[in-house]
Amino acid sequence: DGGITQSPKYLFRKEGQNVTLSCEQNLNHDAMYWYRQDPGQGLRLIYYSQIVNDFQKGDIAEGYSVSREKKESFPLTVTSAQKNPTAFYLCASTTKGSGPGELFFGEGSRLTVL
Amino acid sequence: AQSVAQPEDQVNVAEGNPLTVKCTYSVSGNPYLFWYVQYPNRGLQFLLKYITGDNLVKGSYGFEAEFNKSQTSFHLKKPSALVSDSALYFCAVSGNTGGFKTIFGAGTRLFVKA
Repeated sequence: DGGITQSPKYLFRKEGQNVTLSCEQNLNHDAMYWYRQDPGQGLRLIYYSQIVNDFQKGDIAEGYSVSREKKESFPLTVTSAQKNPTAFYLCASTTKGSGPGELFFGEGSRLTVL
Repeated sequence: AQSVAQPEDQVNVAEGNPLTVKCTYSVSGNPYLFWYVQYPNRGLQFLLKYITGDNLVKGSYGFEAEFNKSQTSFHLKKPSALVSDSALYFCAVSGNTGGFKTIFGAGTRLFVKA
C-alpha cells in the first residue's frame, strides 16, 4: 500500500540530546513537509521541500534541521537548541502538478523531553 | 504572508442539525484552500479542496465548503451532522505564488451530541 511512514511513533529524550524523526513515502510525491502540533495552536510549518537537495524554512525552523537526499525520505532532526521540543510531529507529502495539491499525512511522532 | 483564521475553538451541534465550521484566509495571489479532519493521535485526513471553478465544493463524508472571494472565507458545512463527525477540523491555504508552502489554522473541535 502507498503511504507515508513516520517512525518512531513515540520517543523520549533527555534535555540536551538531538533526536531524528524519520519520514518515508512511497507515493512518488515531489514535495514533503514537517509540521509541529501543539494543543490550541494547530499545525505550524517547520520545513518543507519541493525537490531533492532543496528545502525551505517554515515559520518555526529554529532548533530544527532537515535533509532531502532522496525523493522518498525527509528526516527531521530536533536539536538541543530547540527550547520546547515536546510536541506531536507530523510529516506530509504532495504531488506538484499544476499547483499545490492535498497533503497526505503520516500517523505522527510524539516526542517527549524528560 | 499567508495566514488562516478559524475563529471558533469549538462548535457544538445536535445530531441531525446542519453544521458550519468557519475559516477565513489571507494569501498572495489566487488561493488553494483545503479542509482536513483529525481523529485523536492520528494524522490528518483530506476532506475537500478549492482551486478554481464552482464556489461550492463537495467532498468526503457529505461535507461541502463554500468559497467566498470577497469575504476571503471558506466555511465547511454539512446539512445533517452525525455523532461520528466529532473530531478536530483544520482549514489550510496555499498560494500560487511562493511555491508549495501550506499554512494551517488553529483547528476547530466539533462536538456532535446524540
